Amino acid sequence: RKEVEQDPGPFNVPEGATVAFNCTYSNSASQSFFWYRQDCRKEPKLLMSVYSSGNEDGRFTAQLNRASQYISLLIRDSKLSDSATYLCVVILYNQGGKLIFGQGTELSVKP
Amino acid sequence: DARVTQTPRHKVTEMGQEVTMRCQPILGHNTVFWYRQTMMQGLELLAYFRNRAPLDDSGMPKDRFSAEMPDATLATLKIQPSEPRDSAVYFCASGFSWASGTDTQYFGPGTRLTVL
Repeated sequence: RKEVEQDPGPFNVPEGATVAFNCTYSNSASQSFFWYRQDCRKEPKLLMSVYSSGNEDGRFTAQLNRASQYISLLIRDSKLSDSATYLCVVILYNQGGKLIFGQGTELSVKP
Repeated sequence: DARVTQTPRHKVTEMGQEVTMRCQPILGHNTVFWYRQTMMQGLELLAYFRNRAPLDDSGMPKDRFSAEMPDATLATLKIQPSEPRDSAVYFCASGFSWASGTDTQYFGPGTRLTVL
């Protein structure tokens, strides 16, 4: 079983739709969580951190459920420019701060 | 706007040749990571350093790959001899970590390696 698992998609949605991604992690020692975004042939870029209390940044909302060991990302009113691959990331403090990346979920927003 | 830089951005070489990739982390960051990304495997962690000391290189094929940090401003990843299966994008990332936690990482633009 992979340490971080995501639905690879692709998710094909129309502009304006709301789309949600889930990510599960297996290591209960995981301490910090992030969502990264990667555009085609580019490097991954930090999208947002994920906190237990949930956090929002504009149209993006991230949630963490430690009991069930999953993380979610909600995108509201999706734009064409949101088309990318979204990577779930956990940090393992008990392994020197190692980051573990999920395989990524591909999102395609259509006009 | 501080960024991680990587050179070269593209490299085409023949099987058996040595390849050296370089990374300049963001000034002040004390951790450096090397990743490899392919369509089939996604992002794989190859090795990482904290305060220039190697912490984990278990993801790296030891017989042909080596990673070093000769100083705080330079990290290198070397493949000798290279093989076609090494073709991938190699990313360097840097961040800051401390005894009880770690900050997130910032990625360089990557080196796209093709081994013929």
